[in-house]
Amino acid sequence: EVQLVESGGGLVQPGGSLRLSCAASGFTFSNYWMSWVRQAPGKGLEWVANIRQDASGKYYVDSVMGRFTISKDNAENSLYLQMNSLRAEDTAVYYCARGLYYSDYDYYFDYWGQGTLVTVSS
Amino acid sequence: QVVLTQSPAASASLGASVKLTCTLSSGHSNNNIGWYQHQPGKGPRFLMKVHSDGSHIKGDGIPDRFSASSSGPERYLTISSLQSDDEADYYCQTWGAGGFFGGGTKLTVL
Repeated sequence: EVQLVESGGGLVQPGGSLRLSCAASGFTFSNYWMSWVRQAPGKGLEWVANIRQDASGKYYVDSVMGRFTISKDNAENSLYLQMNSLRAEDTAVYYCARGLYYSDYDYYFDYWGQGTLVTVSS
Repeated sequence: QVVLTQSPAASASLGASVKLTCTLSSGHSNNNIGWYQHQPGKGPRFLMKVHSDGSHIKGDGIPDRFSASSSGPERYLTISSLQSDDEADYYCQTWGAGGFFGGGTKLTVL
């Protein structure tokens, strides 16, 4: 059974940093792209970042470029999101998701974790 | 960039069918999309990938009550024999130099 379990969320002040983790099990982690998707309170889903199977490529939504870093440890079956220079608008539930890659124009999220809440507030 | 448009809300009676619509913006009518179900307090669930010709590939364990079709820039999700557990937000998603989601449709089962 595929399982994705996020951790590391919490309350942080504007300008602060936080590192999210996602523990994966039930599949060969090194074979898959992985992603982070977020949902701000009362809003819809927003893709945040992707990483290739071997971490050779990383991709971000414009609003987090230069502030967030996605990484992947295939030996530990873990996905991470380092979030720096956090803003109030980054407040959201952050979901770890397994990638279903068909091509550079055909990509989906086929398994999701339960999410971890990040609140950016003073 | 691509924009996906969904009606904010839909409703249908228990046991009935409902058809949800996702419309792709101009120039992207051939995009494939994915449909997701999101219930409160849970992670989203991948329902299926839908191609421009209406063919679709379902996610693991998705029942036959869920089906999809396409017409031009519109992608549809049909849920038949509605159950109370189908009450959720439904999102469509496509890919094009990044991931894009529709605004979601809140489905109420009466």
